Amino acid sequence: EDKVVQSPLSLVVHEGDTVTLNCSYEVTNFRSLLWYKQEKKAPTFLFMLTSSGIEKKSGRLSSILDKKELFSILNITATQTGDSAIYLCEPSGGGADGLTFGKGTHLIIQP
Amino acid sequence: SAVISQKPSRDICQRGTSLTIQCQVDSQVTMMFWYRQQPGQSLTLIATANQGSEATYESGFVIDKFPISRPNLTFSTLTVSNMSPEDSSIYLCSVGGGGAGQGIYEQYFGPGTRLTVT
Repeated sequence: EDKVVQSPLSLVVHEGDTVTLNCSYEVTNFRSLLWYKQEKKAPTFLFMLTSSGIEKKSGRLSSILDKKELFSILNITATQTGDSAIYLCEPSGGGADGLTFGKGTHLIIQP
Repeated sequence: SAVISQKPSRDICQRGTSLTIQCQVDSQVTMMFWYRQQPGQSLTLIATANQGSEATYESGFVIDKFPISRPNLTFSTLTVSNMSPEDSSIYLCSVGGGGAGQGIYEQYFGPGTRLTVT
């Protein structure tokens, strides 16, 4: 059975802090890992990671995948209140009928 | 939280036919969402389905191709019409739940329907 564990489940920090969100997974026929930002409506795609050790960056956000240890991290530096959201990871594999999402990390940035 | 079931879990369909996917929730919810994830792509929102009103479609998706029904607060269907191989995808429904302050809404996802069009 596919499993995804995100940690922490919730996190409250102050503006300007740096946060690291974790996602560990066990997925049949793993292909890629996707990170999303969930605010008021649909999740917004952030990153797709397919190769180990290659960091992807977008502004203050970055992410990296470790396929040997089966985890990924999402870093956000110099956090802003607009970063407040639920961050979801989705390890994508070819074995399951559906999709597998982590429960998400609920991030709150206080001014 | 909400428990969501979808039927069918997977199907293989012929080009030109239509498939209706059902989404059942164990509690009454106002907002339901339909997504698809094509092979190697990220999740894409198709439409938002609120009970008692027409579904709201995202750019690139139209009602004639993806008609949606929302007859009550626990059920919705998405039909993929006149299918082509490009419609091969996982189709996912989700519901929005009440969230914490700052406008954050949790979403609960169904298990998905894997559709293959030949």
